[in-house]
Amino acid sequence: AQSVAQPEDQVNVAEGNPLTVKCTYSVSGNPYLFWYVQYPNRGLQFLLKYITGDNLVKGSYGFEAEFNKSQTSFHLKKPSALVSDSALYFCAVRDPVGGGFKTIFGAGTRLFVKA
Amino acid sequence: EAGVAQSPRYKIIEKRQSVAFWCNPISGHATLYWYQQILGQGPKLLIQFQNNGVVDDSQLPKDRFSAERLKGVDSTLKIQPAKLEDSAVYLCASSTGLQETQYFGPGTRLLVL
Repeated sequence: AQSVAQPEDQVNVAEGNPLTVKCTYSVSGNPYLFWYVQYPNRGLQFLLKYITGDNLVKGSYGFEAEFNKSQTSFHLKKPSALVSDSALYFCAVRDPVGGGFKTIFGAGTRLFVKA
Repeated sequence: EAGVAQSPRYKIIEKRQSVAFWCNPISGHATLYWYQQILGQGPKLLIQFQNNGVVDDSQLPKDRFSAERLKGVDSTLKIQPAKLEDSAVYLCASSTGLQETQYFGPGTRLLVL
C-alpha cells in the first residue's frame, strides 16, 4: 500500500538560512510526488511536482525538491528562508498503478522561520 | 483564471443534523476531488470524480456521506446524520485530468456540536 511519511512535526530555521523539510514515500509503481503549502485559513497551494526527468525539481517561491529513488525520498529545500515561508507543508504521492492515481498526503510539517 | 470555489466557508451544526457543501471547480477541469482534513492531519481523499463518474470512493463513509457531480461540473458533498468526529475542514480540488496537478479551494470548516 502506498504511504507518505513526514518525520518532523516542526522545523525551525533562522531567516536567511537554508531549510529542508523531509518526505519519504512508499508506492508500488513509479511515484508522482508533490509538495503543497497551507497558510492559516486557506486551502493548499501547489509548490512543485516530480513525475519524471531531472531529479531536482524547481517550484514556486524559490523552493526546490530532490527526488531520490534509492532512498525513496522527496525532500523540500530552499537556499535562504524567509519569515513569510512560515506555514504548514504537505508532501503527497500519487500511485499510477491501478489507474486511479489516488493521492495520499503526509501529516504535514510546520515550518517556523525566525527573523 | 478563477480558482476553485467552495461554500459555505464555515458551518456549525449539532450532531445528528445534516449538512451539505458545494464546490465549483476551475472551468474545464474534468477531475474533482473531496478531501477531509482533520485538525493536525493531512487531507484524506473521500471521493474522486472524472467528469460525472466516480473514480474512487473507497474512503467515503457511505452510511452517512454522499457526493454527486450530476452534470460533470459542480459537486455537492452531504453528511447525514453528522457525528462529532466529522468536525474537520472539507477541501475540494480539481484538475484537468487524473494525472495532473490538483488545485484546491479554500475549504469549508465544519464544527459538529
